[in-house]
Amino acid sequence: EDKVVQSPLSLVVHEGDTVTLNCSYEVTNFRSLLWYKQEKKAPTFLFMLTSSGIEKKSGRLSSILDKKELFSILNITATQTGDSAVYLCAVEAGGGSNYKLTFGKGTLLTVNP
Amino acid sequence: DGGITQSPKYLFRKEGQNVTLSCEQNLNHDAMYWYRQDPGQGLRLIYYSQIVNDFQKGDIAEGYSVSREKKESFPLTVTSAQKNPTAFYLCASSIKDPSNSPLHFGNGTRLTVT
Repeated sequence: EDKVVQSPLSLVVHEGDTVTLNCSYEVTNFRSLLWYKQEKKAPTFLFMLTSSGIEKKSGRLSSILDKKELFSILNITATQTGDSAVYLCAVEAGGGSNYKLTFGKGTLLTVNP
Repeated sequence: DGGITQSPKYLFRKEGQNVTLSCEQNLNHDAMYWYRQDPGQGLRLIYYSQIVNDFQKGDIAEGYSVSREKKESFPLTVTSAQKNPTAFYLCASSIKDPSNSPLHFGNGTRLTVT
């Protein structure tokens, strides 16, 4: 059974801090790893990672994948209260036309002013 | 604007009743998915469909049923056989192969069964 584990499950920081969220996985036939941000309703897409060692960056957020050690990290620098959300990691795996996404439980990030 | 519409936003039902959640997309996506989200559990896959008239069970399909008669629509029925139906349900869609395109999510339906 495919497994995705996120840590920590929750985190409280102050504005301006830098945070690192972790996602490790055990899946068969890895295809990609995705990060989503969920504030109240629909998760919104942040990054898709398929290759090891290549950092993806968007403003203060960045993410990198290590396919040898089977994990990814999501970094947020200079956090703001608007970064408060649940951050979801998902791994796509499978072969041929049989693939699916498995989600981790998420990390609840609270940024206090 | 293209997107995914889930309705209703909130749904209340009595135990023993079947209920159908609607999901419609106008993104011309081939694949559609239903996830269930419980506090502290992340998203768990109920059913998915990669093409019209075909669908597969996810990890927690028991007590649920779906249909995919049209590309745009993927309704989910929560049957009375589902032991703990109260949850937040998210529908998503993607171009057939998610490696080339991330999931787009609807705003969810919060179902409460008493």
